[in-house]
Amino acid sequence: GQNIDQPTEMTATEGAIVQINCTYQTSGFNGLFWYQQHAGEAPTFLSYNVLDGLEEKGRFSSFLSRSKGYSYLLLKELQMKDSASYLCAVRSLPNFGNEKLTFGTGTRLTIIP
Amino acid sequence: DAGVTQSPTHLIKTRGQHVTLRCSPISGHKSVSWYQQVLGQGPQFIFQYYEKEERGRGNFPDRFSARQFPNYSSELNVNALLLGDSALYLCASRTKLAGPNTGELFFGEGSRLTVL
Repeated sequence: GQNIDQPTEMTATEGAIVQINCTYQTSGFNGLFWYQQHAGEAPTFLSYNVLDGLEEKGRFSSFLSRSKGYSYLLLKELQMKDSASYLCAVRSLPNFGNEKLTFGTGTRLTIIP
Repeated sequence: DAGVTQSPTHLIKTRGQHVTLRCSPISGHKSVSWYQQVLGQGPQFIFQYYEKEERGRGNFPDRFSARQFPNYSSELNVNALLLGDSALYLCASRTKLAGPNTGELFFGEGSRLTVL
């Protein structure tokens, strides 16, 4: 089976930095995704890691350690619009072409002035 | 360019009824997946279709079924609705089947189903 854990809620201050952690246990690992979802809207893609290390994209960075089953999403220079849920998802490929994303419950991030 | 479009955006049904949800992928995308998102939870995988064939199925009862048409659009059908089926149903598309270098899955805005 697959299990993904991430904190339920976090609060951070505008202009600051926040790190959202995600731990996972899965078989057939083939990549980890971070999505942002504002209330009532569709998830939007933020990052994708398949190899160990840090991927940086503007104010957002994502880190993966496959041996530890661990990832984090780092958000810098926080803005009020960053208030949203952040979903960690692991992709498994039990058979070629059969894709499945397993999502965590999401971390609801609230940015305060 | 149009993104993934879903219809209807909102609908209300009663227990025991049937519902059909529709999805049009991004132009050129051949793979469509369906996810169920219950309030306060992450999306849960229901189905994946590619070239009109089912390529993956999540842990959902047989009341859930889907199909993909020659134009790559897709329908999700749910029979004998239960209160617990109330959720946001998300459709997602990508250009091709997953592989080691593929990444982004594009989601539609979803169809919010309420079962009374």
